[in-house]
Amino acid sequence: QQPVQSPQAVILREGEDAVINCSSSKALYSVHWYRQKHGEAPVFLMILLKGGEQKGHDKISASFNEKKQQSSLYLTASQLSYSGTYFCGTQPSGSARQLTFGSGTQLTVLP
Amino acid sequence: DVKVTQSSRYLVKRTGEKVFLECVQDMDHENMFWYRQDPGLGLRLIYFSYDVKMKEKGDIPEGYSVSREKKERFSLILESASTNQTSMYLCASSLLGPAIWFFGPGTRLTVL
Repeated sequence: QQPVQSPQAVILREGEDAVINCSSSKALYSVHWYRQKHGEAPVFLMILLKGGEQKGHDKISASFNEKKQQSSLYLTASQLSYSGTYFCGTQPSGSARQLTFGSGTQLTVLP
Repeated sequence: DVKVTQSSRYLVKRTGEKVFLECVQDMDHENMFWYRQDPGLGLRLIYFSYDVKMKEKGDIPEGYSVSREKKERFSLILESASTNQTSMYLCASSLLGPAIWFFGPGTRLTVL
């Protein structure tokens, strides 16, 4: 079952902040975040593991609430280059081979 | 740098044709995956493989099959293409464990 992402789309000005949320109905082993620009392949941003270990990306941070099976991606002081579609991917506990993606959040940063 | 390549960027086929989509990765990854991407639905997992000759169904395997004869190569097969299989197909690979997924550039398949 796909994780649920919100919002579906967000438009902001350069320098503003944004938060993208991801929630799952399953107990999770990890949460991944990817960004896809138009016509390109998704690119890794962040991985959050059960137990708190985080591997990150410069100027972008994320949190993982294991009890609620929720993750949030925080983009601060957004830049034009942040525009794209953001996907969260979840790996359920006991099935770490699969990565199931949400439907995506389209982020547009305007000058 | 990890590289995942797909045999075609664009492909046009007729209904009923057998279609092969090829994916090759050059980093000795154990896991390989096929996703399809449709507007509003995100990336949906079709099949994945964690070893040569091993395969597992993902969320939407109907109408597809796969083959993995060599570690670096993972093929997606549409035995009899249908118009509802018109989509963007993305291949990915990763190491075992909490690893990064690396994606190929995608193949946009149109079935007429």
